Amino acid sequence: IAGITQAPTSQILAAGRRMTLRCTQDMRHNAMYWYRQDLGLGLRLIHYSNTAGTTGKGEVPDGYSVSRANTDDFPLTLASAVPSQTSVYFCASSDAPSGNTGELFFGEGSRLTVL
Amino acid sequence: GQNIDQPTEMTATEGAIVQINCTYQTSGFNGLFWYQQHAGEAPTFLSYNVLDGLEEKGRFSSFLSRSKGYSYLLLKELQMKDSASYLCAVLDSNYQLIWGAGTKLIIKP
Repeated sequence: IAGITQAPTSQILAAGRRMTLRCTQDMRHNAMYWYRQDLGLGLRLIHYSNTAGTTGKGEVPDGYSVSRANTDDFPLTLASAVPSQTSVYFCASSDAPSGNTGELFFGEGSRLTVL
Repeated sequence: GQNIDQPTEMTATEGAIVQINCTYQTSGFNGLFWYQQHAGEAPTFLSYNVLDGLEEKGRFSSFLSRSKGYSYLLLKELQMKDSASYLCAVLDSNYQLIWGAGTKLIIKP
């Protein structure tokens, strides 16, 4: 049982480069989320998707974009990476009804360093 | 603004009991979650409270008082594997999760 798979696990990136973090789930969950986790701060929501074909902005969306072409995949793109985007990124999913967050299932995280 | 407060770090002894507190101020309330996160790993769900009172699940219990904006996670018979960060999160009126920064629990033999 895979659950949620994120790739890459870790990446070092030069500032200004474009980067896509991949997230795939096999639980057929409607809702998916991207969070960043920084030392001393709570998880912060970047973008979310309540169902395939729809996306929404979270607390810290600037510099990031997402797409939800199908139920399983929810990639996060950094168009032009900056050092402040150095963080651990977690993808999560939930089988709660659209717009009603239930228990979240998290991927193992992608550690991104922007130099 | 919305705020979740929990202690940054706590230390406890193996076999003992520890209580991790969480206070919150949010725009509306639709439930409170506790997650466990071992270092370098993903958060995993522990509990969900939406009504006042105590929910017990094995060695872990979670308490909620909505009138006080307060919850705690109680861990009994502590084991070394319980060393982890414990994250408190509140579902606000828009069904958005507001996360605390987490409490790092260190278990000593």
